[in-house]
Amino acid sequence: EAGVAQSPRYKIIEKRQSVAFWCNPISGHATLYWYQQILGQGPKLLIQFQNNGVVDDSQLPKDRFSAERLKGVDSTLKIQPAKLEDSAVYLCASSLESRRYSSGNTIYFGEGSWLTVV
Amino acid sequence: GQSLEQPSEVTAVEGAIVQINCTYQTSGFYGLSWYQQHDGGAPTFLSYNALDGLEETGRFSSFLSRSDSYGYLLLQELQMKDSASYFCAVQTDNYGQNFVFGPGTRLSVLP
Repeated sequence: EAGVAQSPRYKIIEKRQSVAFWCNPISGHATLYWYQQILGQGPKLLIQFQNNGVVDDSQLPKDRFSAERLKGVDSTLKIQPAKLEDSAVYLCASSLESRRYSSGNTIYFGEGSWLTVV
Repeated sequence: GQSLEQPSEVTAVEGAIVQINCTYQTSGFYGLSWYQQHDGGAPTFLSYNALDGLEETGRFSSFLSRSDSYGYLLLQELQMKDSASYFCAVQTDNYGQNFVFGPGTRLSVLP
């Protein structure tokens, strides 16, 4: 089974420039997440999609970050304009949809897109 | 609010046993997961506890006490390849979709 695919793997940009990251989740996974992981910290949820609808974007800095998941499959995360503090790994993850009580759905992560803002 | 605490670093030698603790304060709790992340790699699922007690999976075991808002990951017969960061994550919804991650514990295994 193919895993979560992300690109680009690495990106260096100057502050105030824009960047976009792409994610293709595991086939059949209805839930897609974007996490931000700053070096030495745990993943922090930015946005969660269920199919192509947003479930939670409470921690997404909406003045500069945007994300979409067209057709409920691939997703794109954009940052514009970037700030120095956006330097982090952006992890895309997916999990199976659950319509009833679920004992611990596993979240499957991609290897991340490493962003350095200089 | 959501708050999870883990030790930042743990060091042990090959063959030893190490315990990584996690305490949590979250607005909802339905279970505790553990993930392993090697440097530069993706976090990968290790274990999950919904009920109090110990779950064993090979060399790894995970424990949960809901009354104490506390859990731990136990790694036995440590190997060099176990050097990685370990994250606890609280499931905060009853559909198994929402997880809040802890800050992570970096484990270094010495020869």
